Amino acid sequence: AQTVTQSQPEMSVQEAETVTLSCTYDTSESDYYLFWYKQPPSRQMILVIRQEAYKQQNATENRFSVNFQKAAKSFSLKISDSQLGDAAMYFCAYNLGNEKLTFGTGTRLTIIP
Amino acid sequence: KAGVTQTPRYLIKTRGQQVTLSCSPISGHRSVSWYQQTPGQGLQFLFEYFSETQRNKGNFPGRFSGRQFSNSRSEMNVSTLELGDSALYLCASSSARQGATEAFFGQGTRLTVV
Repeated sequence: AQTVTQSQPEMSVQEAETVTLSCTYDTSESDYYLFWYKQPPSRQMILVIRQEAYKQQNATENRFSVNFQKAAKSFSLKISDSQLGDAAMYFCAYNLGNEKLTFGTGTRLTIIP
Repeated sequence: KAGVTQTPRYLIKTRGQQVTLSCSPISGHRSVSWYQQTPGQGLQFLFEYFSETQRNKGNFPGRFSGRQFSNSRSEMNVSTLELGDSALYLCASSSARQGATEAFFGQGTRLTVV
């Protein structure tokens, strides 16, 4: 079974600074997809960024980028120039190309003004 | 276009009762998935429906069931409610094209069982 591990239950960062959230996963598959979702207090999960395992290039979406290390099964999220609106729970998730997402336990990110 | 709509937003039920939650996906999306979110177990996949057929299923007892209608709207039913069923139930819709398409989530239904 696939598992996703987020070892940092909580993280905090000064506004405008950079923070990295960690995620590791376990799978025997070679083709899969990885995601970072954000869940603000409104509870609605929002996709932040996605990565296809067959792509070596790390995905980037504006201030958000990932460091995807396939051999190490690591998928960290870097948030640059942190903003107050980035405060939320962040979930790392794995998918085999179907609609079933396996989530990690989440990291609560606090932004310090 | 309108997002994923879940109703009701909040629900309080008594042990032993049953409950039905509703999810209206984004227009054009044929796949609807359901997740249970609790502080102890985190986010767990319940099931996924595509074109009125259950296509994937998680590890939940048979008390949890669902269905999807021809307009892609989906309902989830929990029978004989237990205290442990108290959770945030999230619905997600996607176009389910080839490869992992983006799942769009609703705001969830907060179910409290007393």
